[in-house]
This record gives sequence, structure tokens and C-alpha cells, in this order.
Amino acid sequence: GNSVTQMEGPVTLSEEAFLTINCTYTATGYPSLFWYVQYPGEGLQLLLKATKADDKGSNKGFEATYRKETTSFHLEKGSVQVSDSAVYFCALSDPSGGSYIPTFGRGTSLIVHP
Amino acid sequence: GAVVSQHPSRVICKSGTSVKIECRSLDFQATTMFWYRQFPKKSLMLMATSNEGSKATYEQGVEKDKFLINHASLTLSTLTVTSAHPEDSSFYICSARDPLGLGYTFGSGTRLTVV
Repeated sequence: GNSVTQMEGPVTLSEEAFLTINCTYTATGYPSLFWYVQYPGEGLQLLLKATKADDKGSNKGFEATYRKETTSFHLEKGSVQVSDSAVYFCALSDPSGGSYIPTFGRGTSLIVHP
Repeated sequence: GAVVSQHPSRVICKSGTSVKIECRSLDFQATTMFWYRQFPKKSLMLMATSNEGSKATYEQGVEKDKFLINHASLTLSTLTVTSAHPEDSSFYICSARDPLGLGYTFGSGTRLTVV
């Protein structure tokens, strides 16, 4: 079956530090990959996506590259801000099993200090 | 982009009562919506798939008689937590597939507290 594994959190950084949140996946088919962000007390928002190998999704300074050879989709940002503090979810959608319903990782909490 | 509106954002209810949560697609039609439950420090657990005009499809282990789902129109799905108990306290989130193929759009969530 499909699964998504994210690094354990929380990740605590100082403002302007470099961020990496690791994500690896297993899938039976050829999935699309997503990163969602959840700010405190809110629902999830799509941050970025990639639909095929070597695609790079990017948004708001965040980026992630679809690596088929390592089955990874690590999230990076060169300089984090306090406002980036949130929970980040890696997810995949693999229609090969007949459903587009996404599979989520456990989420990684990011805390950015001034 | 596509917007999903969820209401209420917070609700506190007494044990034994029922609570209804609404999920609306504001600028698109959603024949299918999804209901998730989020536990503290854990990921989203898919509870059920809501299908317009037909019965919902529940995931294994989810009590369909406790979590009633109705998808009466192409823009509205409701989740009713019946005879709520404190262990039902959680964050519930609805979702629909973005018609532009940009992934899934989520509601803002409902924090349910049963006292």
C-alpha cells in the first residue's frame, strides 16, 4: 500500500535559518506529491505540488523536488521567518489503486524563533 | 482557487447531544467530499468519503451510526456527530478535490469539545 514518512518534529530554528523537512514515500503506482501547511487552529492549505519525476514545486520561498530514484520529496526553504511556524504535511495521491484520495504523513511541526 | 467553507470553527457541546458540521464548496461543485479527523500530534485520519446523492463510504473502524454524513447537494456535505462523548473531542476537517487539478482543498476545520 501507499505510505508517507516524515521526519519527527518539532523542528526548531532561528529566523533566517535554512530549513529541510524530509519526506519519503512508498507507492504502488506513479503518485503526485504534495506539501500542505497547517497554521495553528486552521485547516490545511496546499503549499506546493509535483506530478512527475524531477519536477520541482515551489511557493512562498519553499521548494521540493520529486526524486523518483530515492522516493523522496524533501521540503526546503533558504531563510525561514517566524510566520512560517506551522505544521507541514507531506502527502501523495496515487490513482493507480482506483482512488485519488491522498495519503498523509504524520506532519512535522516547525517552530521559528525571532 | 477553489474554496471550501467549513462551519462552525469551534463548538462545545454536552455529552449525549448531537453536533452538525457543515462543509460547503463555494465556487465549484463537489460530487465527492472527504471528512478527516485529526488527533493531537498525529496525522489526518480519513473517516469517510461523502458522495452526492448516495451513501457515504466509511473507512474501517469508523462508526457510521455515530458519524452521520449527508451530501444532499453538489455544494454541501454535513457531518453529524451523534450522542457525542468526550472521546469524540477532536479537530474535524473536510476536503474536496480541487476542480483545477491542484490537489485537494481543505476547510478550515472544526474544533469539537464535548464536556
